[in-house]
Amino acid sequence: DQQVKQNSPSLSVQEGRISILNCDYTNSMFDYFLWYKKYPAEGPTFLISISSIKDKNEDGRFTVFLNKSAKHLSLHIVPSQPGDSAVYFCAASAQWGNTPLVFGKGTRLSVIA
Amino acid sequence: DTAVSQTPKYLVTQMGNDKSIKCEQNLGHDTMYWYKQDSKKFLKIMFSYNNKELIINETVPNRFSPKSPDKAHLNLHINSLELGDSAVYFCASSHGTTSGANVLTFGAGSRLTVL
Repeated sequence: DQQVKQNSPSLSVQEGRISILNCDYTNSMFDYFLWYKKYPAEGPTFLISISSIKDKNEDGRFTVFLNKSAKHLSLHIVPSQPGDSAVYFCAASAQWGNTPLVFGKGTRLSVIA
Repeated sequence: DTAVSQTPKYLVTQMGNDKSIKCEQNLGHDTMYWYKQDSKKFLKIMFSYNNKELIINETVPNRFSPKSPDKAHLNLHINSLELGDSAVYFCASSHGTTSGANVLTFGAGSRLTVL
């Protein structure tokens, strides 16, 4: 059973436009959410996170929005750059206790110049 | 300096063989993990160690045996390799316990191909 779902396997966006990557989760115990970015032949690298006490967290061009009632989060990248082309993984966990990060399958973002 | 390093990066072997993947982190983290990314691209936790103590052991065949000689190292040994073991194995580390508020730092991955 997929507790974290990224239903779009791929997304293409023009350079300079907004990229919106979506993620849904099913486990109501999840209260901490992260986005990781992965280039080919490299490990995932941490991008941005959000705790369930917030509904928005911003870091430069990256903003994560959390809608707890809908169990949905999204990552916005504005403006998108060719170097943003990568696979983006959504991950979730409970902040307390020995619960590991649960990852989605990832969305491949292609930013076209 | 690589923060989390894994060796080997690529491993091709025959069914039935035994192989090991090594992982080292120089971040001073207390917790280390093994994740498996299979052909369906899911990243799934296999094991987690905190200060050399096994914390998480997901439903993994007992042919897989992690070993943590010290908190900077977590090796993965796989006995009697099967075709379904072909995957990319990622090592990761984080501060503190396995609590979800900790950010994981991943290695580059070790691609295992079983023929």
